Amino acid sequence: GAVVSQHPSRVICKSGTSVKIECRSLDFQATTMFWYRQFPKQSLMLMATSNEGSKATYEQGVEKDKFLINHASLTLSTLTVTSAHPEDSSFYICSAKPGLADTDTQYFGPGTRLTVL
Amino acid sequence: GQNIDQPTEMTATEGAIVQINCTYQTSGFNGLFWYQQHAGEAPTFLSYNVLDGLEEKGRFSSFLSRSKGYSYLLLKELQMKDSASYLCAAMDSNYQLIWGAGTKLIIKP
Repeated sequence: GAVVSQHPSRVICKSGTSVKIECRSLDFQATTMFWYRQFPKQSLMLMATSNEGSKATYEQGVEKDKFLINHASLTLSTLTVTSAHPEDSSFYICSAKPGLADTDTQYFGPGTRLTVL
Repeated sequence: GQNIDQPTEMTATEGAIVQINCTYQTSGFNGLFWYQQHAGEAPTFLSYNVLDGLEEKGRFSSFLSRSKGYSYLLLKELQMKDSASYLCAAMDSNYQLIWGAGTKLIIKP
């Protein structure tokens, strides 16, 4: 149980284009989903917390107009990187909590490696 | 500020035991998580401690001392597949995870 999928797993795009990443909880409903990015040999950096049916909460320093998050249902959240640039190249990982308790474990998707040329 | 400290890299021998330490400083505390992350993959959940003491789960055990702001992950009977990064994350009073940079564990035959 507690399986999270992400699509695509890998994407290469040209500078200036937009890329959409999907995160799905396959066998549970996730009221809250999280979006992280991770640079090589660095820790996870939380970008935003996504709650179903409401606006995402972005961490300080994360541009909400550049990283658009939509949590349209209890099993799907999407992250759109708009007008991507080479510095946006990173490993993007989503996670979801299967329960309502704040201390519930986060389960991670397999990640999406974005390369912007 | 909030901070998590764990060693950058450790090396151990197949079949041996290794202990990965983690110290944390957070605004409030709602538990300590350990995750395993293989290169190029997302983290997978290993353990969650919120009370003091040792939690054993097969070859892996996790310990917490809240008064000392300290946790460790103990891996027994090491296997080559245990080569990975191990991430320590503490949950603060806002239920937000504060992540360590991870400890890269190298297993040698």
